[in-house]
Amino acid sequence: AQSVTQLDSQVPVFEEAPVELRCNYSSSVSVYLFWYVQYPNQGLQLLLKYLSGSTLVKGINGFEAEFNKSQTSFHLRKPSVHISDTAEYFCAVSATDYGGSQGNLIFGKGTKLSVKP
Amino acid sequence: DAGITQSPRHKVTETGTPVTLRCHQTENHRYMYWYRQDPGHGLRLIHYSYGVKDTDKGEVSDGYSVSRSKTEDFLLTLESATSSQTSVYFCAISPRQGHNQPQHFGDGTRLSIL
Repeated sequence: AQSVTQLDSQVPVFEEAPVELRCNYSSSVSVYLFWYVQYPNQGLQLLLKYLSGSTLVKGINGFEAEFNKSQTSFHLRKPSVHISDTAEYFCAVSATDYGGSQGNLIFGKGTKLSVKP
Repeated sequence: DAGITQSPRHKVTETGTPVTLRCHQTENHRYMYWYRQDPGHGLRLIHYSYGVKDTDKGEVSDGYSVSRSKTEDFLLTLESATSSQTSVYFCAISPRQGHNQPQHFGDGTRLSIL
């Protein structure tokens, strides 16, 4: 079965430090990749997406992610985090070999980012 | 924010009772989805709809049914709720078919089954 793996369930980091949240996926065909952020008691908000073209994708709130096809990874990075970045982050993948024709997303289990002062 | 309203936002009910959750959108999007979110599992697709009266099963559809009689409304029904269905339920919408289409999410319904 296809899968999305977020390697860290929790990432604590100090304010203004850099952070990387890791995501790996399994697929042998073209993929479309997404990062979502979930603040407490809220729904998921699209942070950024990779559809095609440049492998470095910039999103909202200063986040960026790099698509690496050879390593089947799509890691999320931010050079300097703020307290307000404390949230849970989800990596999601859509690919034709994940089944269905409707563009269904497969989500990772999430990474909780905790930014400390 | 995409115009998605989930109701109710919170519900507590007893095992064996029927429960219906509603997702209402004002974006006129064709595709609508129901997910459940559980700790350690991320989001898992329950059912989705690709048009009025057109629905299909997702990864964890057992014990759930859906209906879509209007473009704007997608209902999720638990015919006889069980404690294992205690979860946070999210509705999502997408304008078009295709694997490159991001989905936009509602704020969720927290359902507790005692």
